Amino acid sequence: NAGVTQTPKFRVLKTGQSMTLLCAQDMNHEYMYWYRQDPGMGLRLIHYSVGEGTTAKGEVPDGYNVSRLKKQNFLLGLESAAPSQTSVYFCASSYAGDRTDTQYFGPGTRLTVL
Amino acid sequence: SQQGEEDPQALSIQEGENATMNCSYKTSINNLQWYRQNSGRGLVHLILIRSNEREKHSGRLRVTLDTSKKSSSLLITASRAADTASYFCATVPNDYKLSFGAGTTVTVRA
Repeated sequence: NAGVTQTPKFRVLKTGQSMTLLCAQDMNHEYMYWYRQDPGMGLRLIHYSVGEGTTAKGEVPDGYNVSRLKKQNFLLGLESAAPSQTSVYFCASSYAGDRTDTQYFGPGTRLTVL
Repeated sequence: SQQGEEDPQALSIQEGENATMNCSYKTSINNLQWYRQNSGRGLVHLILIRSNEREKHSGRLRVTLDTSKKSSSLLITASRAADTASYFCATVPNDYKLSFGAGTTVTVRA
């Protein structure tokens, strides 16, 4: 049981390049989330999904797109990377949207945009 | 926007001492959760306290919640080097989305 995995672990992009971050979970969780973590800011929710085929905007969605074609995968895309998107990205999942659900986090992807 | 704010931002203690950190929030909540993040890793859930609870224990962890003051505290007793990490409070208002604070960085000195 791998839990939540993220690919890649590190990436360096040039401004304007695009990339996709992959999150996979093997816990049969319905809900999945993408966060970014910046120094002194805590985690901020980018997008989330309440089930296969559904996505919704979080607190800081601009510049990102997501897709949830399969229940176990949640993809985060950057179409035209900007230096402001330099951050550590975390994926998380939870069994359902119950308010008391624990979220399980992946190890993170460190992205640098030059 | 961040709902929770932790205090202090950083804490350095000797092994064996207790560590206390606080979290204040702004709006009403359904529950409040504490997470730990070791350097370079993802967050790990520690404990959840519901809005109708005042205190909860889990091993060496003790969490209190004062909804009238909109604040919570996390106490780690008899700290160990392995407790060195950042600790985040996350509030859950009316839906399932967590709102994280900026965290408290705890360093336990041997």
